[in-house]
Amino acid sequence: KNEVEQSPQNLTAQEGEFITINCSYSVGISALHWLQQHPGGGIVSLFMLSSGKKKHGRLIATINIQEKHSSLHITASHPRDSAVYICAVSPNDYKLSFGAGTTVTVRA
Amino acid sequence: DAGVIQSPRHEVTEMGQEVTLRCKPISGHDYLFWYRQTMMRGLELLIYFNNNVPIDDSGMPEDRFSAKMPNASFSTLKIQPSEPRDSAVYFCASSRQQETQYFGPGTRLLVL
Repeated sequence: KNEVEQSPQNLTAQEGEFITINCSYSVGISALHWLQQHPGGGIVSLFMLSSGKKKHGRLIATINIQEKHSSLHITASHPRDSAVYICAVSPNDYKLSFGAGTTVTVRA
Repeated sequence: DAGVIQSPRHEVTEMGQEVTLRCKPISGHDYLFWYRQTMMRGLELLIYFNNNVPIDDSGMPEDRFSAKMPNASFSTLKIQPSEPRDSAVYFCASSRQQETQYFGPGTRLLVL
């Protein structure tokens, strides 16, 4: 069983809809990361968090350490948000274990 | 800053050949990571360095893989001899201590 489980595996939304991606992990962590991989393949780090909530533009990431769960929310989704979103955890400070990713498609 | 630079961006080679992937981290970053991404296994950490010293290479699949970081601005990942199952996208990333990792554009490797 993977240390990091994401759901859903795939998600299709209409432009403007609110999107939620979930990540559950089974190990103690020092930090959780949300990454975005564009269709062209480039990977961008969106958030790194160890508690609470972070917000950047239309993206919000939350984490519940006790429940070993994190969510990534996209408000007012747009076709340019179409990408693979990957959750990763750091059991120690530097090594990342990755989830399988959630493919998000936002239709105009 | 130009970000993390990787070369080549694409590599096609024949089984048995030596392949060398190159990475230039962001200036001032003291951690460097090599990752591999495949459809079957997703993203996997291969090895990471701190201040040019390899810290954990437990993700390196076998002895055919080796990585070096001779100085703070350059690292290589070498596969010798290459096999078709090594076909993947190889990413290099760098970070400053425990902060966000910045990924390079990746090298898409195809071994025939």
